[in-house]
Amino acid sequence: DQQVKQNSPSLSVQEGRISILNCDYTNSMFDYFLWYKKYPAEGPTFLISISSIKDKNEDGRFTVFLNKSAKHLSLHIVPSQPGDSAVYFCAASWSAGANSKLTFGKGITLSVRP
Amino acid sequence: ETGVTQSPTHLIKTRGQQVTLRCSSQSGHNTVSWYQQALGQGPQFIFQYYREEENGRGNFPPRFSGLQFPNYSSELNVNALELDDSALYLCASSLAMGRLSEQYFGPGTRLTVT
Repeated sequence: DQQVKQNSPSLSVQEGRISILNCDYTNSMFDYFLWYKKYPAEGPTFLISISSIKDKNEDGRFTVFLNKSAKHLSLHIVPSQPGDSAVYFCAASWSAGANSKLTFGKGITLSVRP
Repeated sequence: ETGVTQSPTHLIKTRGQQVTLRCSSQSGHNTVSWYQQALGQGPQFIFQYYREEENGRGNFPPRFSGLQFPNYSSELNVNALELDDSALYLCASSLAMGRLSEQYFGPGTRLTVT
């Protein structure tokens, strides 16, 4: 039973345009959500997070939106750059503390065309 | 400040054999989590170690076991290997009182079971 779902396996966008990556979750106990970026032969690297008490968090070109009632979050990248091409994982946890476990989605492969 | 390192990078084993994977934490980090990422899937939490004790476990059988050493490095041991154990194994280190956003992943060990 997948508790974190990334239903689109891939996304292709033109450089300079917006990339929107979606994620849904089923467990209402999740309280903290994170996005990770992964390049081949590297481990996932933290990108941005959001607590369940917020509906938006912004960091430079990256914005995460959370809709708790719909159990849905999205990552917006504006403007998209070729260096953003990577696999993006949505992850959820019961708390923001480092002793919590992460539940990941399957990932979305983003390709940004020059 | 050194990052999280894992060894070996790649490994090929035969069904029924045993394997040990190693992880060196980022300097100063005292907590290590292990994840299994099967092909086309997101990472799945195996277990976490803090102060040389298991501090939480995911849905993995007892043949997956671990150790944490006084220098906070860690090992993942898998006995009686099965074909489905073929995956990328990731470790992540953090401070116990830190935040998930400050947890850092290593590049992983690619295990192939034939």
